[in-house]
Amino acid sequence: ETGVTQSPTHLIKTRGQQVTLRCSSQSGHNTVSWYQQALGQGPQFIFQYYREEENGRGNFPPRFSGLQFPNYSSELNVNALELDDSALYLCASSLGGTGVSYEQYFGPGTRLTVT
Amino acid sequence: AQSVSQHNHHVILSEAASLELGCNYSYGGTVNLFWYVQYPGQHLQLLLKYFSGDPLVKGIKGFEAEFIKSKFSFNLRKPSVQWSDTAEYFCAVSPTGRRALTFGSGTRLQVQP
Repeated sequence: ETGVTQSPTHLIKTRGQQVTLRCSSQSGHNTVSWYQQALGQGPQFIFQYYREEENGRGNFPPRFSGLQFPNYSSELNVNALELDDSALYLCASSLGGTGVSYEQYFGPGTRLTVT
Repeated sequence: AQSVSQHNHHVILSEAASLELGCNYSYGGTVNLFWYVQYPGQHLQLLLKYFSGDPLVKGIKGFEAEFIKSKFSFNLRKPSVQWSDTAEYFCAVSPTGRRALTFGSGTRLQVQP
């Protein structure tokens, strides 16, 4: 059973640019969530995808967008990068289902630095 | 919206000391509760979880946590810490039936040999 993987590991971008981060969910998991973890803080929920549909969103602007593919892998896209977007971006996968609770398994994260 | 408070930001203990990390949450409905650990250089790992039933839950590596509904608390405990427990510990909550987690700001635990 493979765990959650993310790519790239590190990324440096310039303010105003766009970035795409990728996540492969754990085998058998159909739900992917994205979190932003600023230095010294706990992760903050960005959004979640369940069976290729957005299934919840945190307090992030529309320039944060995502996709989930039929194989349940996912992308996080951030447009018009700002300095405050510098953070560790975490992907987590879980099983899904309406009204059902499952634990989430996290990937190693992508460290994004915006200069 | 729910929120999570972790009272201790940085805890320093000697090996064999007992550990208790505080976690309080605010939310009016039923919740699922989690403790995650992040060892240096590693990714977040699930330590233990509470969904329902016995409020005393046991996790990996000798950790346990007790859900006290009346106090909106889910404190993490370990009777005797080891140097290898040095890590950052995060408490998280999600409303029952939803999967978006709200995390506390974390507690950095440093265990001295």
